[in-house]
Amino acid sequence: EVQLVESGGGLVQPGGSLRLSCAVSGFTFSDHYMDWVRQAPGKGLEWVGRTRNKANSYTTEYAASVKGRFIISRDDSKNSLYLQMNSLKTEDTAVYYCVREGVEDQFDYWGQGTLVTVSS
Amino acid sequence: SYELTQPPSVSVSPGQTASINCSGDKLGDKYACWYQQKPGQSPVLVIYQDRKRPSGIPERFSGSNSGNTATLTIGGTQAMDEADYYCQAWDYSTVVFGGGTKLTVL
Repeated sequence: EVQLVESGGGLVQPGGSLRLSCAVSGFTFSDHYMDWVRQAPGKGLEWVGRTRNKANSYTTEYAASVKGRFIISRDDSKNSLYLQMNSLKTEDTAVYYCVREGVEDQFDYWGQGTLVTVSS
Repeated sequence: SYELTQPPSVSVSPGQTASINCSGDKLGDKYACWYQQKPGQSPVLVIYQDRKRPSGIPERFSGSNSGNTATLTIGGTQAMDEADYYCQAWDYSTVVFGGGTKLTVL
């Protein structure tokens, strides 16, 4: 059974940093591209970014809204995905989902999400 | 930047067909995906590559994509289909989501 479990969310002040983790199981993590998608309270889905797999040099892409502030990384030996969030703004408040990309670029498995609240 | 536009809400009677549109410039040249999200739950993929259904998704869910519009169609809509639906496409190496459509079954 495919499982993605996020952790690390919480309350942080504007300008602060937070690191989210996503532990995966039930599939060969190293084969897949992985993404982060967020959802502000009562709002729609917003893509944050992706990391490709080792075969594609672990290259990353980011949404314009987070580029230069957020960093996506992965540790294939630990079956884990990470999201380092720096210089946080109130508008970064959202539930953050860890998402697996299928072979046809679809988002086929989602975690349960972890809430990040940026507030003073 | 690329944008996808969905109607905020769609209503349908039980047993009838619901259609949710998603529009974007030359969207038909890209692949569209659709996700269902029920309150308090994570999104679930219901359609990918315009018209493919993942295993476990009922046959009443179908999709199409041509010109500037992708469409999610739910035939014989059931109460359990009441949810928010999001379209999604790739614009080069970035992902774009539509704003979401709340489907009400009444």
